[in-house]
Amino acid sequence: GNSVTQMEGPVTLSEEAFLTINCTYTATGYPSLFWYVQYPGEGLQLLLKATKADDKGSNKGFEATYRKETTSFHLEKGSVQVSDSAVYFCALLSYGQNFVFGPGTRLSVLP
Amino acid sequence: ETGVTQTPRHLVMGMTNKKSLKCEQHLGHNAMYWYKQSAKKPLELMFVYSLEERVENNSVPSRFSPECPNSSHLFLHLHTLQPEDSALYLCASSHGTGQETQYFGPGTRLLVL
Repeated sequence: GNSVTQMEGPVTLSEEAFLTINCTYTATGYPSLFWYVQYPGEGLQLLLKATKADDKGSNKGFEATYRKETTSFHLEKGSVQVSDSAVYFCALLSYGQNFVFGPGTRLSVLP
Repeated sequence: ETGVTQTPRHLVMGMTNKKSLKCEQHLGHNAMYWYKQSAKKPLELMFVYSLEERVENNSVPSRFSPECPNSSHLFLHLHTLQPEDSALYLCASSHGTGQETQYFGPGTRLLVL
């Protein structure tokens, strides 16, 4: 079945550092790929998505590229802020199936 | 603000109580979902409704009873819960159940004593 693997963290960075959170997946067919973010005390918010190979999703300075050859969808940001502290979930969705979420990666950004 | 609201945001209940969680979406979506998020565990899909009909029930105990009276509202009725049911319960909606982005509410933090 479909699955998502991501680094669990926690990841601790200083403000303005470069961020990478790795995500790899296993799926049949051509899934859509997502990153969701969960701020403390809140639900999940869609951060970005990509629906086909080589697509790049981007939002709020975050980017991720759908790499079919490496089955990856790594999340990157060039300069993190304290307000980026949250838990980040990689997820995939194949047609007619349910979302599959990774375990989440907790990011803490220190001033 | 994602267009999906949940009430209450926090709930404390005893094991013999009966309570209900409410979810409302203002996005014109046709599918709604209940998820359970426990500490140190992946998100668990509980129920899926499409056009007000339940299309999936992932082996959830009968002490959780969903209700979808229309495409904008979803309830989760709770009775005789156990302490291990304490978790964050998230509602989500999507346009359809194909390959559609899901939009989540803020969740209800439930504590069962």
